[in-house]
Amino acid sequence: ILNVEQSPQSLHVQEGDSTNFTCSFPSSNFYALHWYRWETAKSPEALFVMTLNGDEKKKGRISATLNTKEGYSYLYIKGSQPEDSATYLCAFRSNTDKLIFGTGTRLQVFP
Amino acid sequence: DAGITQSPRHKVTETGTPVTLRCHQTENHRYMYWYRQDPGHGLRLIHYSYGVKDTDKGEVSDGYSVSRSKTEDFLLTLESATSSQTSVYFCATADREGNQPQHFGDGTRLSIL
Repeated sequence: ILNVEQSPQSLHVQEGDSTNFTCSFPSSNFYALHWYRWETAKSPEALFVMTLNGDEKKKGRISATLNTKEGYSYLYIKGSQPEDSATYLCAFRSNTDKLIFGTGTRLQVFP
Repeated sequence: DAGITQSPRHKVTETGTPVTLRCHQTENHRYMYWYRQDPGHGLRLIHYSYGVKDTDKGEVSDGYSVSRSKTEDFLLTLESATSSQTSVYFCATADREGNQPQHFGDGTRLSIL
């Protein structure tokens, strides 16, 4: 079973702080890397799907980068707001397997 | 999101009983997935479907079966429920496999006593 690791497990920041988290995945047989945002009592919602080494994606204050050669992706949130509080999941897909999810980074933004 | 409805949303049942969860989509997506969510684990794939009557096993398929007789419906069955199958179950759909995002239903909370 392929391993997808996310760090940190949880994060508490003040409103206005910028923050970032890491997703580590196997550096071989890369096919795609997904990021999802999961608010409490809701269902996961797709943020980005990244397929090329060096990809950078942006949606509002949230952006992501991808390094397939070394097997990591960063998710950045600029100027965190309380509504950004959620669990952020990454998921890795290899050429030979289905999507494997990490356990997520739980972000809490305090006013 | 993407018109995905899971039913029931909550269910409590007893060990040894059969249970069927339903996922219904209105987006005409080809791919459908069943996941379970447990504390300390990421979403884990139980079974998936790549078309009508085309299904395959995922990482944690033991004790589960699925069926897809129509594009819009994907059923997950626990033939004889066990307490280890107490979990939150999510259905997801995708237009393409892997390089397109998955769209999730709201989940079914299943408790097996």
